Amino acid sequence: DADVTQTPRNRITKTGKRIMLECSQTKGHDRMYWYRQDPGLGLRLIYYSFDVKDINKGEISDGYSVSRQAQAKFSLSLESAIPNQTALYFCATSAGQVAQPQHFGDGTRLSIL
Amino acid sequence: GQNIDQPTEMTATEGAIVQINCTYQTSGFNGLFWYQQHAGEAPTFLSYNVLDGLEEKGRFSSFLSRSKGYSYLLLKELQMKDSASYLCAVRERPYNTDKLIFGTGTRLQVFP
Repeated sequence: DADVTQTPRNRITKTGKRIMLECSQTKGHDRMYWYRQDPGLGLRLIYYSFDVKDINKGEISDGYSVSRQAQAKFSLSLESAIPNQTALYFCATSAGQVAQPQHFGDGTRLSIL
Repeated sequence: GQNIDQPTEMTATEGAIVQINCTYQTSGFNGLFWYQQHAGEAPTFLSYNVLDGLEEKGRFSSFLSRSKGYSYLLLKELQMKDSASYLCAVRERPYNTDKLIFGTGTRLQVFP
């Protein structure tokens, strides 16, 4: 089983709909992140959380919200989806120690029509 | 400002050596990561440099010069499965923010 699991893997929806992307991890890491990836723009940080009571905005948080329901779960919501939120979304976790990398889930491909 | 530059695309032949460069200008520096990402898949960790010099891991090596704001990833004995995008990411100070700034990635195509 994957250490970082994202659901759904693919989603097609319409403009204006509310969407939730979920991430769960079995790595025991405190730190969790949400990124989006667009062609030619690389990975950009949306939100990050260092523990259940800590939520921080990243580079591009407008139009998104998050919830850290437990150490192992971090969900991303689009309250009213718009077409330019069409992208590949990744959840990541890290142990937060100096040389430790972030570990990524398999991604959610989201298309908003 | 924050800026990380990598070439957009590179091509190489199976069995050859390729060097992928990354230059960065960030407001602070506390480590540089290289990730591999196959199309439509998750990025996977390759290497980490925080001090100047070369880190070797099997066929892959990564070099860092902090004074020049420069890193490279060296891939030896290229295999077809090395065709992927390679992402350079810088962690800014302080390290406990653990925020990474990613470059746009270099797409490497390996030909037989």
